[in-house]
Amino acid sequence: EIVLTQSPDFQSVTPKEKVTITCRASQSIGSQLHWYQQKPDQSPKLLIKYASQSFSGVPSRFSGSGSGTDFTLTINSLEAEDAATYYCHQSSSLPITFGQGTRLEIK
Amino acid sequence: EVQLVESGGGLVQPGGSLRLSCAASGFTLSDHYMDWVRQAPGKGLEWVGRTGDKATGYTTAYAASVKGRFTISRDDSKNSLYLQMNSLKTEDTAVYYCARRNRVTTKEFDYWGQGTLVTVSS
Repeated sequence: EIVLTQSPDFQSVTPKEKVTITCRASQSIGSQLHWYQQKPDQSPKLLIKYASQSFSGVPSRFSGSGSGTDFTLTINSLEAEDAATYYCHQSSSLPITFGQGTRLEIK
Repeated sequence: EVQLVESGGGLVQPGGSLRLSCAASGFTLSDHYMDWVRQAPGKGLEWVGRTGDKATGYTTAYAASVKGRFTISRDDSKNSLYLQMNSLKTEDTAVYYCARRNRVTTKEFDYWGQGTLVTVSS
């Protein structure tokens, strides 16, 4: 099973700040890495697919990079509505696995 | 508009059974892989299992934690996905989401339902 480890687990940030969340895979997964945003009491929503491709309708301040084992989700100029938990997900091999999540709090 | 609506959750005793449904609309269900993902209260996301699309013969795969107890099925004529859960344990308590995979790439979950809560308790 491929283990995904996100860091940090929690971050408190101010609006307009730039945020970086990392996801490290226990073995190489190519670009089979996707990012989701989950706001409180809502279902997850796809942000970034295949490490760096933005999903339709996602604001341009969200971007992704990386390949192999190390991946990054970047949020430029954070807005209050970005308060959420962010998860990475690997689709390289079964079983499908998710990172433990990174909760962003807006100060 | 793509919509996924789960139903069937509720309170069940340990050892009991429950069947969840996911009603799909706005797309052709048979064209897509479909998954179930769960989230225990206050915890992260956990993959439960998936069914392939019509082209792949609707093959299924399951997480080790539910294999042999849970069964995923689908009725494309009713645009519905199901999760039959047997021999339920307290650790199966979670919100259960159905999720659609992209039709072409079959990898990322591009749409999710709102979830249905299953509570396993005596």
